[in-house]
Amino acid sequence: DAGVIQSPRHEVTEMGQEVTLRCKPISGHDYLFWYRQTMMRGLELLIYFNNNVPIDDSGMPEDRFSAKMPNASFSTLKIQPSEPRDSAVYFCASSPGTEQYFGPGTRLTVT
Amino acid sequence: GENVEQHPSTLSVQEGDSAVIKCTYSDSASNYFPWYKQELGKGPQLIIDIRSNVGEKKDQRIAVTLNKTAKHFSLHITETQPEDSAVYFCAAIQGRRALTFGSGTRLQVQP
Repeated sequence: DAGVIQSPRHEVTEMGQEVTLRCKPISGHDYLFWYRQTMMRGLELLIYFNNNVPIDDSGMPEDRFSAKMPNASFSTLKIQPSEPRDSAVYFCASSPGTEQYFGPGTRLTVT
Repeated sequence: GENVEQHPSTLSVQEGDSAVIKCTYSDSASNYFPWYKQELGKGPQLIIDIRSNVGEKKDQRIAVTLNKTAKHFSLHITETQPEDSAVYFCAAIQGRRALTFGSGTRLQVQP
């Protein structure tokens, strides 16, 4: 298996623009997680899905952030409008139940 | 919610020495404790984990110990090598939920 796949790997955008991050989980994994990593806050959960259904979105910063999982092999995290404070590395992870496996991340820079 | 504290924040050892990283957790209901290694520009990689019904687990040069009474767990790396240099994160979880991460330890193995 190729592992968790994320795209793009790097994204640079201007404040106010819409940003869409993409994730393909490991086949057969029922859980999908979106985490954000910053120097100030470390690794923190944004949202997670079980069988394509959002279970806990308490970590989503505000209404500018939204996530979807239209099928078992694809998820998106959208930021609209983006702000400089959204600059971070965004990780997707998938899990068959307990162990979580991370993708390579998307480094987002908002100028 | 769960709170995980990790120390030290940085650790420098000579090649061949042992390294120990310690974490404490707050939620006595947590029952799964993974350790991740993160290299520069990459996603966290699961290197070892332990469940609450086990006191110790070993995998070649890496071992993890868990003290449920004291609510702390530790990562032990023996015979360190330069390729062990990375940031290590501990985490805790209750059931099939999102991980709560420690703040990370930057390990530098000096050749």
